[in-house]
Amino acid sequence: LAKTTQPISMDSYEGQEVNITCSHNNIATNDYITWYQQFPSQGPRFIIQGYKTKVTNEVASLFIPADRKSSTLSLPRVSLSDTAVYYCLVGSGGYQKVTFGTGTKLQVIP
Amino acid sequence: EPEVTQTPSHQVTQMGQEVILRCVPISNHLYFYWYRQILGQKVEFLVSFYNNEISEKSEIFDDQFSVERPDGSNFTLKIRSTKLEDSAMYFCASSDSSGTGPEELFFGSGTQLSVL
Repeated sequence: LAKTTQPISMDSYEGQEVNITCSHNNIATNDYITWYQQFPSQGPRFIIQGYKTKVTNEVASLFIPADRKSSTLSLPRVSLSDTAVYYCLVGSGGYQKVTFGTGTKLQVIP
Repeated sequence: EPEVTQTPSHQVTQMGQEVILRCVPISNHLYFYWYRQILGQKVEFLVSFYNNEISEKSEIFDDQFSVERPDGSNFTLKIRSTKLEDSAMYFCASSDSSGTGPEELFFGSGTQLSVL
């Protein structure tokens, strides 16, 4: 399964847009990119998933360039409640059988 | 909104004791998982379960661990003889499709296991 690399931590002020980039140079043709969010003492929660170009839902957008070697999770106008760890996962099937990476710890500042 | 329920939320046990962690997956889901997260570390896959048998397990899931679906609603993780290093948050998850394609995993809120 493709290895992913994300920044360990990020800080952002409330109301700003936050972009978290994940590198996955060895992504395979059948692989999808999935992002999860985890609050302290809670289980991870699915945010968004995509294969190519752009995906948007009510929570976030996911941008995937043509070469698919990276992806960017975009959180519009973050609030304090968006403070969490964000995980990027890459896989086609069985990706849930791997260990989550270290994720990106996002701290939203008032 | 349907959710995965885990009990107890906290479990304290003595080293060497057996513990059973309980989970009620979302009712129409067919695939069940256990993960654990040691404080400050990564979420680690332990085991996946489908059709009343283990489909995948990690190196962590050794002979001290077992899973069971004793009835139509519960999914349990048993640790036969707990060690100090088993102290962690244990998450149950479920999904409604197989690992043949990416699907959304629904996680419970976890059971914090403390082994003394």
